[in-house]
This record gives sequence, C-alpha cells and structure tokens, in this order.
Amino acid sequence: GQQVMQIPQYQHVQEGEDFTTYCNSSTTLSNIQWYKQRPGGHPVFLIQLVKSGEVKKQKRLTFQFGEAKKNSSLHITATQTTDVGTYFCAGLYNAGNMLTFGGGTRLMVKP
Amino acid sequence: KAGVTQTPRYLIKTRGQQVTLSCSPISGHRSVSWYQQTPGQGLQFLFEYFSETQRNKGNFPGRFSGRQFSNSRSEMNVSTLELGDSALYLCASSFGANTEAFFGQGTRLTVV
Repeated sequence: GQQVMQIPQYQHVQEGEDFTTYCNSSTTLSNIQWYKQRPGGHPVFLIQLVKSGEVKKQKRLTFQFGEAKKNSSLHITATQTTDVGTYFCAGLYNAGNMLTFGGGTRLMVKP
Repeated sequence: KAGVTQTPRYLIKTRGQQVTLSCSPISGHRSVSWYQQTPGQGLQFLFEYFSETQRNKGNFPGRFSGRQFSNSRSEMNVSTLELGDSALYLCASSFGANTEAFFGQGTRLTVV
C-alpha cells in the first residue's frame, strides 16, 4: 500500500542551528502537505506542494518537492524555541482528502 | 470564523462499550475526515465524508464507522471497544478536494 516514511524521528538542536526533515513515498504523490503539531496540540497546516521540483519559502522555512514527486523536505534556518513541535508530511495520492501521514519528526530546541 | 469543533474533548470507556464522537466543521466546508493518533502508529486515516457520502476509507475494522449529516457535521462511532482503541481522534475539515485540512482539538479516548 501507499506509505510515507519520514526521517529523522527526533532531532535535538541548539537554538540558531538549522534543521531538516525528509519524507519519502513508496509511490508517486499527487501532492504533499506539511503540518506542525505543538505538544498537546493538533496538527496545523503549513503548506502544500503540487508541482514537480517545487520550492516554497515561508520566512525561515523552505519546503521542497522532488522531481519525481516521491520525496519532500522541510528545512528550517536558524531555529528558534518557538519552532519546537512535531513536523509531519502528509501525502495525497488521489482525489479527495485522504492524507497519508509520515511518522513525524519531533524537533527540540535548546536555548 | 469558528474553527473545527470536536466533542467531547475527553472520554473514558470500558472495554466492550461503544462510543460516538462528534465533529462540527468550519462553516462552508463539505469534506470531513477522521484520523486516529497514537504514539505507536502515528496519524492514521479512518475515513472521509463529502456531502454525506463516504469518499475514502482507511484500513480499520468495521467496528469503526461514521456518517455525515446534511449540515456537514459528522459523527464517528466505535463499537465493542478494545484497549488498543485508546487514542486521540482528530477530525479535519476541508473546503474541497486536495486542499488544506483544518484540524479540531481532538477527542482523547481512553479505554479501560
């Protein structure tokens, strides 16, 4: 079946360091979305990537979608303590809103 | 604009019982999806309803069911509860297909 793998599972960084999480799908995606979940909270939408090779930026966050539409990454430059949380990628394979989530990367930032 | 509302926020049930969870989507959103979140399995898709019809279904046993009403509000039901059903159940609403999902705060279900 369709699976989305995400690495790493955990990442500890010093405030100011960069952070990257990677997602890989077993099959070609229609598009991919990224969510952030703070401890005790619910997933909050960050961005959606649709086109092959697409790159989008939101302030210190850079999102990429692979040329084959099977992988994606999220890079945070100069992390801050407010970046703490779990980042999930979620793939869409067909029509509708059935999201296949990666396992998430829990980011911890030491001040 | 009000967000996605899930009720109740917390539930404790006994094995063998059944439970019904409710979700009110954002006004104007016709798609409602349900997810189960556990530490071991992560976020797993249960089902999606669009205009009162189930459009997608995840890989869960038939004990998990749902429905959507004409006002887009949705309910999910779990019958014959098992200990492994303990989880955070999240509802998400979307305006259309392949669009961002807005999640509710979730219902924390504990089965004892």
